[in-house]
Amino acid sequence: KQEVTQIPAALSVPEGENLVLNCSFTDSAIYNLQWFRQDPGKGLTSLLLIQSSQREQTSGRLNASLDKSSGRSTLYIAASQPGDSATYLCAVPNQAGTALIFGKGTTLSVSS
Amino acid sequence: GAGVSQSPSNKVTEKGKDVELRCDPISGHTALYWYRQSLGQGLEFLIYFQGNSAPDKSGLPSDRFSAERTGGSVSTLTIQRTQQEDSAVYLCASSSRQGLGETQYFGPGTRLLVL
Repeated sequence: KQEVTQIPAALSVPEGENLVLNCSFTDSAIYNLQWFRQDPGKGLTSLLLIQSSQREQTSGRLNASLDKSSGRSTLYIAASQPGDSATYLCAVPNQAGTALIFGKGTTLSVSS
Repeated sequence: GAGVSQSPSNKVTEKGKDVELRCDPISGHTALYWYRQSLGQGLEFLIYFQGNSAPDKSGLPSDRFSAERTGGSVSTLTIQRTQQEDSAVYLCASSSRQGLGETQYFGPGTRLLVL
């Protein structure tokens, strides 16, 4: 059974720092991996989707990498800003492609 | 529509009452998903629709939970005889078609509190 783990559960950094969020999964036979952002009291916003054939994806200050063989993905946020404060979730599809399996998220706080 | 919408945004009910939660997916999206997010827990899959049929109901926690989708669009999640442990945020998502490579777009959720 696929399990997704995110470390750390919470992270506090001063504005301007570069940071890395970690995601690991137990079954390396994934089709893709997706990173989401969730603001308090809001739904989820998709940030980046990495196909299994890809090593990384970039969007602005965000860069996500994927290493299937080791069952790991990282989300790199450059030059963090207070507006980046949110919970970041990673997810992989189940084998049937009927659902996403989520980690419990990393709650990021960026202070000005 | 512009995005996935859900109603109500908040619902407070008494233990034992039935509740209905509504999801309006993005227009044209054939795949629809329900998830539950409990305090301290991650997002848990409940049910998946392709069109009006639900080929994967494996996440529904008990027979008190049911869902339907009509016209390939709006979906309703019904919880009968609510219990306090049903308190959670219920999130709906849709995608343009079912497939491993498709991005799911999420609604804002319905926050359910069972007293």
